[in-house]
Amino acid sequence: QVRLQESGPGLVKPSETLSLTCNVSSGSIRDFYWGWVRQPPGRGLEWIAYMYFSGTTYYNPTLKSRVTISVDTPANQFYLQLTSVTPADTAVYFCARVWGGSYCDNWGQGTPVTVSS
Amino acid sequence: SYALAQPPSVSVAPGQTARIPCGGDNIGSKSVHWYQQKPGQAPVLVVFDDSDRPSGIPDRFSGSNSGNTATLTITRVDAGDEADYYCQLWDNRGDHSWVFGGGTKLTVL
Repeated sequence: QVRLQESGPGLVKPSETLSLTCNVSSGSIRDFYWGWVRQPPGRGLEWIAYMYFSGTTYYNPTLKSRVTISVDTPANQFYLQLTSVTPADTAVYFCARVWGGSYCDNWGQGTPVTVSS
Repeated sequence: SYALAQPPSVSVAPGQTARIPCGGDNIGSKSVHWYQQKPGQAPVLVVFDDSDRPSGIPDRFSGSNSGNTATLTITRVDAGDEADYYCQLWDNRGDHSWVFGGGTKLTVL
């Protein structure tokens, strides 16, 4: 079973850029889609972005202007960058393997991110 | 944009059957997926493509989808099923967006 692990800073200042890494182990990043989902405290799931390992990307229209998803196939990692963060971006961020671009069949444990000065 | 509607909460007694609806315009024409999320944990896929189960998910979990409503059904509910449940679909029009329902808290009485 593929394993995913998020990493990144737990605290980011307003207006700065949030950068997260998802390390994929026990499986290859090739031939799959990979994505990011977040969950603000006490609220539901919100998709952020997903991509095919070869580079095709898809973004939530409400976040598209601030988000970049990318992949490093040799490193078996993929990444999220979210620019100009505000307290509204405070959430637990999950990375996931996406089957056929349609649903998340394997998830990381999530990493909490707080946006505060 | 496409929207999915879920009731905030559903309650059921142990041993009974829980049905969690997910409403959307002509949702029956789309593939719906369901996740279970327990407090402090990542979501877990319990049903995909309307009615298929990943390996390791008990057959007490099943799904259906027709018309304007998809439904997750959990039979013989026990305390371990108490969790938030989210429906989700991939909208293959336009920008290939995902859509999540707002989530339903299943309480086992």
